[in-house]
Amino acid sequence: GAGVSQSPSNKVTEKGKDVELRCDPISGHTALYWYRQSLGQGLEFLIYFQGNSAPDKSGLPSDRFSAERTGGSVSTLTIQRTQQEDSAVYLCASSQTGRGNEKLFFGSGTQLSVL
Amino acid sequence: QKEVEQDPGPLSVPEGAIVSLNCTYSNSAFQYFMWYRQYSRKGPELLMYTYSSGNKEDGRFTAQVDKSSKYISLFIRDSQPSDSATYLCAMANTNAGKSTFGDGTTLTVKP
Repeated sequence: GAGVSQSPSNKVTEKGKDVELRCDPISGHTALYWYRQSLGQGLEFLIYFQGNSAPDKSGLPSDRFSAERTGGSVSTLTIQRTQQEDSAVYLCASSQTGRGNEKLFFGSGTQLSVL
Repeated sequence: QKEVEQDPGPLSVPEGAIVSLNCTYSNSAFQYFMWYRQYSRKGPELLMYTYSSGNKEDGRFTAQVDKSSKYISLFIRDSQPSDSATYLCAMANTNAGKSTFGDGTTLTVKP
């Protein structure tokens, strides 16, 4: 595709419900990243995919958070039993191969609000 | 302590001013230094990229890296209202698999 696409753009949910956030990276990009940005804060790394594997999932804040990537393309971030502190913008980015000197291309994010 | 610390701001300057944005870091393995610009309700976009120490200029923007001091800066000359955004520094090493970001500085340029 032309850019990184994320859906939904906004999600409002009740505390305790599960949510799924979707990311469609740039075609051909093997590396995919999830970051979280709380209000007025920087980007907090969550997980990195190289192809369908996740060599670095060190940023996932708890076992309520999980992510998968299929076909080396679309990724889904799942948050189970959502809590109010999960409210944030969830950003997805992709890059060509995942090397440190590569430009990250970001989507516009999913704004998650947990009531 | 965070690996990357960024001057918090916010910054408000008049149009035409010179702006200086700064970050410090603690991980000496970082070799790639980036500045991203983020407009409201959008994802960050890469603005400047520098490898190791030195300066890089692109139009009104200059990025400086001093690895000996673990300090990086972004200068904006002749600032414009369209420069109003949040600026995030980011750093990575060769085989990083991820970039580490600062918390961002929100800049407002008033006409």
